[in-house]
Amino acid sequence: QVQLQESGPGLVKPSQTLSLTCTVSGGSISSGGYYWSWIRQHPGKGLEWIGYIYYSGSTYYNPSLKSRLTISVDTSKNQFSLKLSSVTAADTAVYYCATNGGEGFDYWGQGTLVTVSS
Amino acid sequence: QSALTQPPSASGSPGQSVTISCTGTSSDVGGYNYVAWYQQHPGKAPKLIIYEVNKRPSGVPDRFSGSKSGNTASLTVSGLQAEDEADYYCSSFAGSNAYVFGTGTKVTIL
Repeated sequence: QVQLQESGPGLVKPSQTLSLTCTVSGGSISSGGYYWSWIRQHPGKGLEWIGYIYYSGSTYYNPSLKSRLTISVDTSKNQFSLKLSSVTAADTAVYYCATNGGEGFDYWGQGTLVTVSS
Repeated sequence: QSALTQPPSASGSPGQSVTISCTGTSSDVGGYNYVAWYQQHPGKAPKLIIYEVNKRPSGVPDRFSGSKSGNTASLTVSGLQAEDEADYYCSSFAGSNAYVFGTGTKVTIL
């Protein structure tokens, strides 16, 4: 069974870049068949799809975040990453990594809270 | 890409049924049979309970069922149990390799 674990700073200053990594175990990113995804949830609010990447490096982003967003993959480490630039308080959220095999987002990490504050 | 519309809350007594709606447009819910539903307990990650409108992943009780008509999808939870008290979110493929989530519904067991 695939397991995912988010890691990265829990506090980011406004205007800086938020960087998170998702480490995958129990499966290989390189095996294909899954889109490796990022989803966030603002405190007390609903879910927001951020974007995803295929093992080949093809990326698909939420249009509302596209100008600030980079998702990358490191197949050698079985990890994929999120970088969101020029953050503001509105980017404070729990960030989840998840898999999407075409049947919905089926495996999720536990989530990590990122707070944007000076 | 606007969030899909769900009622903020729904409730039912143990053993009863509750149905949650998820309204989108012809560009998302109405255009594709890729509607999914997620259950989220407080402080936990969401869990996939329905995919492709009405399919259940292995291990999900058949008390959970999904359907779609036009631009609106629905999740029905039958035989409500205490552990069904949670937030529920729908999602849909929205074309151009994008996804959109619903606004979420809090289900309360009376």
